[in-house]
Amino acid sequence: AQTVTQSQPEMSVQEAETVTLSCTYDTSENNYYLFWYKQPPSRQMILVIRQEAYKQQNATENRFSVNFQKAAKSFSLKISDSQLGDTAMYFCAFIDSNYQLIWGAGTKLIIKP
Amino acid sequence: DAGVIQSPRHEVTEMGQEVTLRCKPISGHNSLFWYRQTMMRGLELLIYFNNNVPIDDSGMPEDRFSAKMPNASFSTLKIQPSEPRDSAVYFCASSLGVGNQPQHFGDGTRLSIL
Repeated sequence: AQTVTQSQPEMSVQEAETVTLSCTYDTSENNYYLFWYKQPPSRQMILVIRQEAYKQQNATENRFSVNFQKAAKSFSLKISDSQLGDTAMYFCAFIDSNYQLIWGAGTKLIIKP
Repeated sequence: DAGVIQSPRHEVTEMGQEVTLRCKPISGHNSLFWYRQTMMRGLELLIYFNNNVPIDDSGMPEDRFSAKMPNASFSTLKIQPSEPRDSAVYFCASSLGVGNQPQHFGDGTRLSIL
């Protein structure tokens, strides 16, 4: 069975600091996609970043970047210069061969002023 | 561009009543997904459609749940009869294709069954 594990239920950092959210996954597939979604208190689900497994280069989107370690099956999200608006639940997700998203349990990130 | 539109945003109803949740996907997207989010179980895929056809409904919890997609721009998720344990946030998402395209989520419907 394919699984996604987020080992940090909650994290808290000061505004402007850098924070890294961890995500590991388990799959026997070679080609797949990984995602980070953000869910702020407003409850929307927002795509943050996407990584293709066949690409060695780590994806970046402005202040958000990933550290993708395919051999270790690790897909961490780094948020640089964190802002108060980054406070949210962050979900790591994996698309399996049936094209369904498999979700981690989420990490609650709190950015303190 | 308009995103995925869900209605209502909140629904409070009594046990036994029929509940209908609505979703309008992003124009041009041909895949639509219904999810349920609870504290206990996290995000669960209930059903997804491709080109208006239900592809996998194995996540639908029981016969009380049904989903339809009569056309490319509209889908409903119906619960009849509703039970308190159905209380959750229900998300609709759409994507361009079923493959590895990102899914775009609506704001969700918070459902409370009393």
